[in-house]
Amino acid sequence: GIQVEQSPPDLILQEGANSTLRCNFSDSVNNLQWFHQNPWGQLINLFYIPSGTKQNGRLSATTVATERYSLLYISSSQTTDSGVYFCAVGNYGQNFVFGPGTRLSVLP
Amino acid sequence: DGGITQSPKYLFRKEGQNVTLSCEQNLNHDAMYWYRQDPGQGLRLIYYSQIVNDFQKGDIAEGYSVSREKKESFPLTVTSAQKNPTAFYLCASSAYYSNQPQHFGDGTRLSIL
Repeated sequence: GIQVEQSPPDLILQEGANSTLRCNFSDSVNNLQWFHQNPWGQLINLFYIPSGTKQNGRLSATTVATERYSLLYISSSQTTDSGVYFCAVGNYGQNFVFGPGTRLSVLP
Repeated sequence: DGGITQSPKYLFRKEGQNVTLSCEQNLNHDAMYWYRQDPGQGLRLIYYSQIVNDFQKGDIAEGYSVSREKKESFPLTVTSAQKNPTAFYLCASSAYYSNQPQHFGDGTRLSIL
């Protein structure tokens, strides 16, 4: 099955800093999502982005499907951005596979 | 508002007891999923259902059972055969199986008494 890696595993930032999270996957996919899991466990859908670039406020994401990676950019980070960021990928007729996550801590 | 409702938020199980976690969605989605998350880990698929009256095992189905009698409901039973049930359980749905974004409920935390 598809293997998903995320880097870095942990990231500590000062409020206001920018960051880039990476998701690598081992096979072609037609479904890729980025999620933010907040400290209460809620899993928030950030982007559905099997290819291309999308932006939503301070967050943007880019997926280069031919090179099998996706990037999540967080600009001007805030303490409320803290939590775990998951990348999940899937293909036709296959289940979603979640990466191990990147744990982000934004310090005031 | 459309969404996915999981209940209860917290659940305690005694040894040898079966417990059922509820998941209801009003998004008119065909596909529904159950995931398990252990502390500090990612999500693992327990069961999924592509359509009413059909469901399939995921990666870690042993000790769990599900039913899909209605489109909007996909309850998960944690049986006494599941020897390590303490975890965070998340339910999700998507318009169709595969190639569609998944939307998640707020989860149920299950603990052993």
